[in-house]
Amino acid sequence: QVQLVQSGPEVKKPGASVKVSCKASGYTFTRYGFDWVRQAPGQGLEWMGWISAYNGHTAYAPKFQDRLTLTTDTSTSIGYLDLRSLTSDDTAVYYCLRGSGDTVDYWGQGVLVTVSS
Amino acid sequence: KFMLTQPHSVSESPGKTVTISCTRSSGSITSNYVQWFQQRPGSTPTTVIYEDKERPSGVPDRFSGSIDFSSNSASLTISGLKTEDEADYYCQSYDDTNQGVFGGGTKLTVL
Repeated sequence: QVQLVQSGPEVKKPGASVKVSCKASGYTFTRYGFDWVRQAPGQGLEWMGWISAYNGHTAYAPKFQDRLTLTTDTSTSIGYLDLRSLTSDDTAVYYCLRGSGDTVDYWGQGVLVTVSS
Repeated sequence: KFMLTQPHSVSESPGKTVTISCTRSSGSITSNYVQWFQQRPGSTPTTVIYEDKERPSGVPDRFSGSIDFSSNSASLTISGLKTEDEADYYCQSYDDTNQGVFGGGTKLTVL
C-alpha cells in the first residue's frame, strides 16, 4: 500500500532553515512526484510547490520562489523540502502529497515546524 | 492565477444530502482536474475525490464529485450524511503551469 512517512517535528529560530523529508513506499517512485502543502495554526491549506521524481522538474508558488527548494533522491525514494530564512509566519504543519503534476492522492502525516526565538 | 471559492460553512442533518461548491474565478473549470480533501478536527487531510470524480479506495460511494461547465464550478456531494462526515472540506486544482490552488475550505456541520 502507498505510504508517505515524514520526518519528525522541528523547532527553529528566525532566520534559520529547515529540511523536511518524505519517504515513499508502495509504488514506483519515479512515476509520480511530490506536492508540498502547509497549514498554519487555525488556517487553511496552502500550496507550496511540486517536484517530479522522474526528471526533477519543479513548480514553486511565487510566494516561496526565492527560499524554497524541493528535491528527490530516487535511490532512497525520499522527497525533501528545504525552506530558508524562516520567520514566525512559517510556523505550520508541512505535508507531502503524492502528485503527478495535475492531481494528488496520498498524504504524508505532516510535520510541525515551529519558528520561535 | 485563478481563485477557487467555496462557501465558508454548510450544515445539514444526518441522513440528508449536502453539496459543497467550488467556483473557479478565471479559466475553465474543465481545464485542470479538481480534487477534494476532508480534514477532520485535529487530523491530517485525506483525499475523498481526485481527478474531478474519482474516489480513492476506501472512500464510500456516498461521496461523489462533479463538474458544472455552466457555472464554472466543481461540486462535492455527500449523501446519507453521518456525524463522522463533520469536517473541513477543501477543493484544489492546478493552473497550466502546474501551480496549485486551494479553495478556502468549507466547514461541514452535521446536526
